[in-house]
Amino acid sequence: KAGVTQTPRYLIKTRGQQVTLSCSPISGHRSVSWYQQTPGQGLQFLFEYFSETQRNKGNFPGRFSGRQFSNSRSEMNVSTLELGDSALYLCASSLLASVTDTQYFGPGTRLTVL
Amino acid sequence: AQRVTQPEKLLSVFKGAPVELKCNYSYSGSPELFWYVQYSRQRLQLLLRHISRESIKGFTADLNKGETSFHLKKPFAQEEDSAMYYCALRNYGQNFVFGPGTRLSVLP
Repeated sequence: KAGVTQTPRYLIKTRGQQVTLSCSPISGHRSVSWYQQTPGQGLQFLFEYFSETQRNKGNFPGRFSGRQFSNSRSEMNVSTLELGDSALYLCASSLLASVTDTQYFGPGTRLTVL
Repeated sequence: AQRVTQPEKLLSVFKGAPVELKCNYSYSGSPELFWYVQYSRQRLQLLLRHISRESIKGFTADLNKGETSFHLKKPFAQEEDSAMYYCALRNYGQNFVFGPGTRLSVLP
């Protein structure tokens, strides 16, 4: 099976712009979670989607949003980018959204905001 | 609120020595606990989880509810164990919370 894929892998934007990141889960997986990873804050949960519905949301401002399509692919959007949004954004998929499910991570999208 | 702490940012041991990576959590319920590992230039991946009671690559982790700890142990460290290790917890209906991570360096 192909692993979790994320596009693009690298992105450079300027303050005030918006960005959309994409995640394709492992075939058959219905749950997709997004994380922000920074040197200062570590791995922080953004949101989780299951069957096109947002199940959980982390403590991030409304500028961060996401969605999931019927084929389980997911996108996250960040509007009005700030310098502090520079981070590695990781996507993880799992078969269901069970607490014991194994999450499989993608390679991440490195976002740099100038 | 759920919280995971890993007191050591960096842990260096010699090959063949025992290693213990500490993880403490705060949560009033009974969360599920996990250890994730990230080797150099590889993706973050699950190492082991409490519910499975398994040993992966010689690593084990015991949940101590009294001390709210889930330390990761290996009796004899190998150079290929050098990586970033993250402890994480999740409770039913809620999201994952990751610790800040510990970088393990196994010296030859």
